[in-house]
Amino acid sequence: DAGVIQSPRHEVTEMGQEVTLRCKPISGHNSLFWYRQTMMRGLELLIYFNNNVPIDDSGMPEDRFSAKMPNASFSTLKIQPSEPRDSAVYFCASGPGGSNTGELFFGEGSRLTVL
Amino acid sequence: AQSVTQLDSQVPVFEEAPVELRCNYSSSVSVYLFWYVQYPNQGLQLLLKYLSGSTLVKGINGFEAEFNKSQTSFHLRKPSVHISDTAEYFCAVSRSARQLTFGSGTQLTVLP
Repeated sequence: DAGVIQSPRHEVTEMGQEVTLRCKPISGHNSLFWYRQTMMRGLELLIYFNNNVPIDDSGMPEDRFSAKMPNASFSTLKIQPSEPRDSAVYFCASGPGGSNTGELFFGEGSRLTVL
Repeated sequence: AQSVTQLDSQVPVFEEAPVELRCNYSSSVSVYLFWYVQYPNQGLQLLLKYLSGSTLVKGINGFEAEFNKSQTSFHLRKPSVHISDTAEYFCAVSRSARQLTFGSGTQLTVLP
């Protein structure tokens, strides 16, 4: 059974450019999360979707960040314009349908470097 | 609000020695507790979880953890570690999926 699939695995871009990160959750999972991991701040929850609807986006740093989930099998996280402080590993995670315990399945992450 | 404290940022240990990674949490209500492991350049993988019932929880790769409500702790243990256990370990607490809070992580390094 395929796990959470993220792309690209690595992205290097210049300040000011638009970045789009993609995620395919595990089939049948109703919840999808975007996390950011940095050395300084650890793992931070950016946004949480349930049944494709954004439930909590309080962790999104600022208006330059946006996330969408057009259907149950695809989500994007977009940064426009990107800045060097956005450099981090971005993880997508999905949770089983009906489960509300916090057990999550993570993708391998997208490492973003903004020069 | 809930929070998680992992008391040790780095734990070096020799192969085949026992190890304990410490985790304390704070919450005014009942929570669910998790340990996740992150190998280099990979995502987090669930090691074990405590939802209810027995306070001793067994996970994958020979790890176990004990929930201690009075001490608000959920320490992770393994009686004999292997080189392949070298990774970063995260303790996490939640009341629901949207409220999963991670600790800062403990880097376990197993030395030959």
